[in-house]
Amino acid sequence: SQTIHQWPATLVQPVGSPLSLECTVEGTSNPNLYWYRQAAGRGLQLLFYSIGIDQISSEVPQNLSASRPQDRQFILSSKKLLLSDSGFYLCAWSLRGPSNQPQHFGDGTRLSIL
Amino acid sequence: AQKVTQAQTEISVVEKEDVTLDCVYETRDTTYYLFWYKQPPSGELVFLIRRNSFDEQNEISGRYSWNFQKSTSSFNFTITASQVVDSAVYFCALSERDNYGQNFVFGPGTRLSVLP
Repeated sequence: SQTIHQWPATLVQPVGSPLSLECTVEGTSNPNLYWYRQAAGRGLQLLFYSIGIDQISSEVPQNLSASRPQDRQFILSSKKLLLSDSGFYLCAWSLRGPSNQPQHFGDGTRLSIL
Repeated sequence: AQKVTQAQTEISVVEKEDVTLDCVYETRDTTYYLFWYKQPPSGELVFLIRRNSFDEQNEISGRYSWNFQKSTSSFNFTITASQVVDSAVYFCALSERDNYGQNFVFGPGTRLSVLP
């Protein structure tokens, strides 16, 4: 069966520091991959999605970037974090293909910026 | 453009009560897919159900049931005999045909609190 791993679970970073969140999927090939952010008490905001290695689309302009160096690895990065980057970050995957596939989520990373 | 509305921001019920979470969607496509997710306090989103636009049959899974009505663009979720473990934020989501997953739109969520 497929599993998704996301780490770290929690992270406290000072403003201006870099960021790297990692997500890996096991048990499937060529998945679609997604990064979402959820502000406290709010809904989900799609940040990036990827349909293949080095194929990444950005939904929201910001100081974050994403990379997909391997088929089942998705990394969210920032060179300099802002206070507004605080939130709950969720990685998700879905099967490649038609849009009827549900997305499956990792456990999330709670990011606090000081 | 597609849109999902969950007008109920927060609902509180007492254990064993039935509760219905509303979801209204907008889409121009004739083929689309609807989903419900549960986000317990621990944070991860759990996939509950998927519905295709061409299948309006209602579905029941244990204490959960879903009522899909294309005429009113609604996909409501009912929990029967609610339990404290049902306390969570519930998200409704919409995906249109042929976008290969990249245009998965979530509603703002409804926070359900089931009190003992």
